[in-house]
Amino acid sequence: DAMVIQNPRYQVTQFGKPVTLSCSQTLNHNVMYWYQQKSSQAPKLLFHYYDKDFNNEADTPDNFQSRRPNTSFCFLDIRSPGLGDAAMYLCATSRESGGQRFFGPGTRLTVL
Amino acid sequence: AQSVTQLDSQVPVFEEAPVELRCNYSSSVSVYLFWYVQYPNQGLQLLLKYLSGSTLVKGINGFEAEFNKSQTSFHLRKPSVHISDTAEYFCAVGDTGRRALTFGSGTRLQVQP
Repeated sequence: DAMVIQNPRYQVTQFGKPVTLSCSQTLNHNVMYWYQQKSSQAPKLLFHYYDKDFNNEADTPDNFQSRRPNTSFCFLDIRSPGLGDAAMYLCATSRESGGQRFFGPGTRLTVL
Repeated sequence: AQSVTQLDSQVPVFEEAPVELRCNYSSSVSVYLFWYVQYPNQGLQLLLKYLSGSTLVKGINGFEAEFNKSQTSFHLRKPSVHISDTAEYFCAVGDTGRRALTFGSGTRLQVQP
């Protein structure tokens, strides 16, 4: 089945230790998104790629970076995680801008 | 700019009772509207969407929603809920010009036996 896959599902890191979350898709969608969702809050868009075109939200901290080496994969890099970065990180795709998002199961990040 | 307001943070309801989860939006352009469901420790799953056409939209799991342009609302309804419907429900609005999808703050539906 075509889907959005996120690995790992649960990630534990230490304060200040870089961490990378990965997302892959078999839908061949043009757009890939990264959302941060803190407990009992709505998902918040961090950035997205339209093909190789990177779009950063204005309030996304510099600590967060992203890479999209090809259509299928997208990575979220957190250079120096702080306690406030503990959250669920959701990857999503859509065929075109404004279209239906297909979400992955999320990666829950814990920062010790 | 767009915004989404989900008026109820929590909705408790008994099993087999009807439920309505409210959503209002504001936007200066034509919109797409979505309802997503999120079960604990999982990603968001699309329940239904309004892109154009009929204002009454039917989705999965027996849910439906009605787009009301004059009231800028997109309320979600189900005539008879099950325990398994207990989850967080998010309303979202997107437009064809921007690439962002704006989410509401969510409504936790708690179905009690």
